[in-house]
Amino acid sequence: GQQVQQSPASLVLQEGENAELQCNFSTSLNSMQWFYQRPEGSLVSLFYNPSGTKQSGRLTSTTVIKERRSSLHISSSQITDSGTYLCAMGSSNTGYQNFYFGKGTSLTVIP
Amino acid sequence: GGIITQTPKFLIGQEGQKLTLKCQQNFNHDTMYWYRQDSGKGLRLIYYSITENDLQKGDLSEGYDASREKKSSFSLTVTSAQKNEMAVFLCASSLGYAEQFFGPGTRLTVL
Repeated sequence: GQQVQQSPASLVLQEGENAELQCNFSTSLNSMQWFYQRPEGSLVSLFYNPSGTKQSGRLTSTTVIKERRSSLHISSSQITDSGTYLCAMGSSNTGYQNFYFGKGTSLTVIP
Repeated sequence: GGIITQTPKFLIGQEGQKLTLKCQQNFNHDTMYWYRQDSGKGLRLIYYSITENDLQKGDLSEGYDASREKKSSFSLTVTSAQKNEMAVFLCASSLGYAEQFFGPGTRLTVL
């Protein structure tokens, strides 16, 4: 089954609006990361955040382990924020370590 | 800082052919990974390695071999390319199971 559920699948914002992206996990995790995927496909690490809250500029990530969820908040969105955001988790729930990615949120910021 | 390089950038093969993809990192990370990304699907783990000469299977290992010849390099072999197959293969590295850093990818097309 799907270990990582990412929502929404797509999102359109007007420049200046805030965005909240969600990841929900079906199993306990021991690592958690948010990525931005560039149009040509390469991945940029935004946050490694297995628990708690981290902030970098206009981006904030919050992971709540006992609720098996993580969120990425983008404040005052800009056109250059457009692209695909991916979350990933690591888990050893099956007895060996594995890593799972969500299908991504496609964000479009319009003027 | 460091960098991950993947070769080749584009790979075109024939049905049934054995194809090898290479990955190098200079982060001095102990763990390296191979993922596959198909259109409309999240990244899926093929193999990972926690040290030189170590191999661990991911959920998608069938049809692939991998080799960790030295700490800085990790190669992936498609044992028999499938007709009309198209995917992007992404290599990553990390310290332990912590934050993963990704290479630019190899785009595979099988004719």
